[in-house]
Amino acid sequence: DGGITQSPKYLFRKEGQNVTLSCEQNLNHDAMYWYRQDPGQGLRLIYYSQIVNDFQKGDIAEGYSVSREKKESFPLTVTSAQKNPTAFYLCASSLELAITGADTQYFGPGTRLTVL
Amino acid sequence: AQSVTQLDSHVSVSEGTPVLLRCNYSSSYSPSLFWYVQHPNKGLQLLLKYTSAATLVKGINGFEAEFKKSETSFHLTKPSAHMSDAAEYFCVVGLPGGGFKTIFGAGTRLFVKA
Repeated sequence: DGGITQSPKYLFRKEGQNVTLSCEQNLNHDAMYWYRQDPGQGLRLIYYSQIVNDFQKGDIAEGYSVSREKKESFPLTVTSAQKNPTAFYLCASSLELAITGADTQYFGPGTRLTVL
Repeated sequence: AQSVTQLDSHVSVSEGTPVLLRCNYSSSYSPSLFWYVQHPNKGLQLLLKYTSAATLVKGINGFEAEFKKSETSFHLTKPSAHMSDAAEYFCVVGLPGGGFKTIFGAGTRLFVKA
């Protein structure tokens, strides 16, 4: 059963802590993405990766970091430098980087992060 | 500048009546256009997409959308709403060119009344 999994579903963070959100896909997709979703704002791109060992900053990368050591995995770390991290985080993948604009993105179920 | 505007933040319909969710875009290029649906606390699921083929695109669950270049619109419709259609809907523009350029609309929340 192919798809994208994210864990955990809910995550609580104390002030000053770093936390890592997991994203795994078994679709054999080259490209992967992280988005942040806040109420009424749609989705905003944090980081994306076109291929293993390569990733690029999106629109709101400050306070976040990623790695892409394996094709199927693209974890996101929310660092203490991110001042307002409470949000819903969505991971997505596509067959290749959507430079034509036409590639469909497949989304995971999301992780809700709350800062205590 | 490229942008996408969903004209209604909330739409409320009665079950069995038509659904219309409006989307306008601005682009210097020939864009690809998508509609995604998101149920509460879930990921996004593709409903349909337009990539310069037929201007009337049919998607899943009875939804369809029509690309109108002259109006720069890509409105989503369904003839008869079902309770299970209650969700948030996102219009998305994919732009060609170097790098990654996908723009999400702010979303339209669809309420379906019994």
